[in-house]
Amino acid sequence: GQNIDQPTEMTATEGAIVQINCTYQTSGFNGLFWYQQHAGEAPTFLSYNVLDGLEEKGRFSSFLSRSKGYSYLLLKELQMKDSASYLCAVRTSGYALNFGKGTSLLVTP
Amino acid sequence: DSGVTQTPKHLITATGQRVTLRCSPRSGDLSVYWYQQSLDQGLQFLIQYYNGEERAKGNILERFSAQQFPDLHSELNLSSLELGDSALYFCASSAVGFGGQETQYFGPGTRLLVL
Repeated sequence: GQNIDQPTEMTATEGAIVQINCTYQTSGFNGLFWYQQHAGEAPTFLSYNVLDGLEEKGRFSSFLSRSKGYSYLLLKELQMKDSASYLCAVRTSGYALNFGKGTSLLVTP
Repeated sequence: DSGVTQTPKHLITATGQRVTLRCSPRSGDLSVYWYQQSLDQGLQFLIQYYNGEERAKGNILERFSAQQFPDLHSELNLSSLELGDSALYFCASSAVGFGGQETQYFGPGTRLLVL
């Protein structure tokens, strides 16, 4: 089966930096995605990694180590609107995504 | 706004009933995916269609079925509904069916409540 683990909850302060980790054990690997989801809304795409290393996109960066089955999402200069659930998803064979249960991030003033 | 539309937004029904959820993908996208999101399970892949053909199946119950029509919209049919089927159902579409980076864009979802 597919096993994708993320912390359930995290809290951080406005203006700070937070790192959300994701570890995975899957049968096959064909890319790792991060999505942001506000309560009751659709997941929105944040980042994609298929090769080892760091991908930077504005305030958000994502890192992948395939040999360690590990990724993290780094959020800088946190804003209140960043309070949301962050979903790590691995694409194995085919194109369907296997999602972790998500990390609920609370940004406090 | 992802460009993926889903109807209805909310649906309340009784156990044993049958419902149909509808999804229109982004213009030009050939692939449609259906996902179920419940509080305890997270987002679970149900089924994928590509240009009208079933491409992959995930954890989809036999009571559930889907199809993709020639105009590329898709419907998810849920029958003999049980209380445990209450969840958010998302549709996603993507542009690339084979190879290359392929990003799924999610619709706003249909919230189903089975009473």
